[in-house]
Amino acid sequence: EVQLVESGGGLVQPGRSLRLSCTTSGFAFGDYAIAWVRQGPGQGLEWVGVSRNKASGGTRTEYATSVRGRFILSRDDSKSIAHLQMNSLKPEDTAVYYCTREEFDASETWGQGTLVTVSS
Amino acid sequence: DIQMTQSPSSVSASVGDGVTISCRASQGIGSWLAWYQQKAGKVPKLLIYGASNLQGGVPSRFSGSGSGTEFTLTISSLQPEDFATYYCQQSNSFPFTFGPGTKVDI
Repeated sequence: EVQLVESGGGLVQPGRSLRLSCTTSGFAFGDYAIAWVRQGPGQGLEWVGVSRNKASGGTRTEYATSVRGRFILSRDDSKSIAHLQMNSLKPEDTAVYYCTREEFDASETWGQGTLVTVSS
Repeated sequence: DIQMTQSPSSVSASVGDGVTISCRASQGIGSWLAWYQQKAGKVPKLLIYGASNLQGGVPSRFSGSGSGTEFTLTISSLQPEDFATYYCQQSNSFPFTFGPGTKVDI
């Protein structure tokens, strides 16, 4: 069974950093791009970025305009895990963060999400 | 960034009704469009990718069409489990972007 499990969420002060992890199982991690999507309280979905697999070629990571320069995506194919490093956090970054497995450039499988709250 | 809009923002319908949701892109995206369903308090679920390809396990009452800048999601006969919010997403160019959502309720 394909599974993605996010961890690392919590309460953090504005300006600080937090690293989320996406631990996966049940599929060949290295064959897939992993994307992150967030959803603020009562809000819609917002695409955060994607960590592409080696076979995709081109740029390995892409980011939403709202997080570019502050967030960093990485992946460890040997451990089937992806990370989202979030720096210089702002209150508007408060959201549930989902990691997703990409297929045909769509988020085919989703984790349960982890809540990040940015507040003093 | 490509802007995605959806209409209507909400629609009231009854079981058995047909519902059509529109999604428009600010520039041409070919067929690089996906539709997601999110029920209250639940994780989003992929329904359609490539504008018209039904994801495995999704009932055939869901269908998608369109290309370029205009797309539609059609639910042919609403079932009780279909009451949810629906989002479109473009994946033609980075950064990928979602529409604001359409809530389908009773």
